[in-house]
Order: sequence, then C-alpha cells, then structure tokens
Amino acid sequence: QTVVTQEPSFSVSPGGTVTLTCGLSSGSVSINYYPSWYQQTPGQAPRTLIYSTNIRSSGVPDRFSGSILGNKAALTITGAQADDESDYYCVLYMGSGISVFGGGTKLTVL
Amino acid sequence: QVQLQESGPGLVKPSQTLSLTCIVSGGSISSDSYYWSWIRQPAGKGLEWIGRIYASGSTNYNPSLKSRVTISVDTSKKQFSLKLSSVTAADTAVYYCARYSTDNYGMDVWGQGTTVTVSS
Repeated sequence: QTVVTQEPSFSVSPGGTVTLTCGLSSGSVSINYYPSWYQQTPGQAPRTLIYSTNIRSSGVPDRFSGSILGNKAALTITGAQADDESDYYCVLYMGSGISVFGGGTKLTVL
Repeated sequence: QVQLQESGPGLVKPSQTLSLTCIVSGGSISSDSYYWSWIRQPAGKGLEWIGRIYASGSTNYNPSLKSRVTISVDTSKKQFSLKLSSVTAADTAVYYCARYSTDNYGMDVWGQGTTVTVSS
C-alpha cells in the first residue's frame, strides 16, 4: 500500500520561509493527485489551507502557497508567524474515490 | 455558512459497533458538488481518512477499514452517519465529519470533532 510521506518535524524562524513537502513511498506526486493541505492546532479541528495543489481556501493569507516541487507536493509559508506553529497535513487523492492523509509535519516557529 | 456537527456515544465497548451522526446545517446535503466524509485521529497521532458518501448513497472507504465501515446518508434529515463494527481500543479517537468538494478535491468544511473511547 502506498504511503504518503511528510517530514515529521520542521522549524522556522519568525519571518522566515519554510517549505513542507508531501511525497509518495512509491512514485511521484503530480497535480493529478490534487494535493490539499490542512493546518491543525492542538485540540482543534483541522483548517483547510490549500486545495488542488495551489488554490487557497477562503480567508487563508497569501503567505501560504502550494505547488509541486520535483516529485512532491509542497506547502510554502513565507514570513512565518508565531501562530503558524501547528501540525500540517497533506492529503492526496489516489483515485477510485480514495484519499490518503500524510503523517503530518509538526512545525515549530522559534 | 455550512456547519457540521457530530454526535454519538462517547464510550463504546470492545467488539461492539461505534455509531456516529453528522448533522449538516446552513446548506444542502444533496448538492452535486460535495461528498460527505469521516476522518479520525487517535490521541497524539495523525489524521486518518475513513470514507465518504455522496447524496445518492455512493460510498468509498479506506481499504484498511472497509470490512468494518458503513457510511450512510439521510437527505431528509440532512445528516450522514458512520458505523464501525467490531471495535477495539485502537479505534479510540476523535472522529470528524467533513465536507469534500468535488470541484476542488479537498475537504472544505469540518465539524468540531467528537471523542469516542473504546473501553469496557
């Protein structure tokens, strides 16, 4: 079974830029996987950030952007702020109605 | 503004069936543009997609849970439901319902989540 991979943890300085990635244990991620990204803080429901690779959800600031970088989907945060410290999850659409979450990345802003 | 609200027992005994309902308010459950999904998250762990249902009743399930999962929809009550049979402690988690957009291939509205503990 294909696994969706994410960095377990990442850190960024306030004001800095960070790119989180979302890959496959076998194969490359393309736009055809319609990658989406979600932010979650402890005790809260996930918040939708990005759909279909690079479409920002309503109300999401433009310092969050999505793309395909090489063989992975990517979420870039530009000008990181303290309240960006969260867990970030990607989801890939595998076809046949099946979606798979990545394991999540814990982002620290320090 | 569409809102989703999960409800159901917070405690289920091992080997029994977990049953949850998600009520949709502020919008139509019958829209062609959405699937209605269930996701779960064990404490301290990541999110896991359980499955989804279309208003027509068409379903898709996580292959690892497929043998135990049933998702159904009642459009007249504007709600959809999750049943997970033969539960064990490993099914203890926060369960979320979410709306999945067929246009954007993403979940765009989430419920607040409900905690289900499997214990005797």
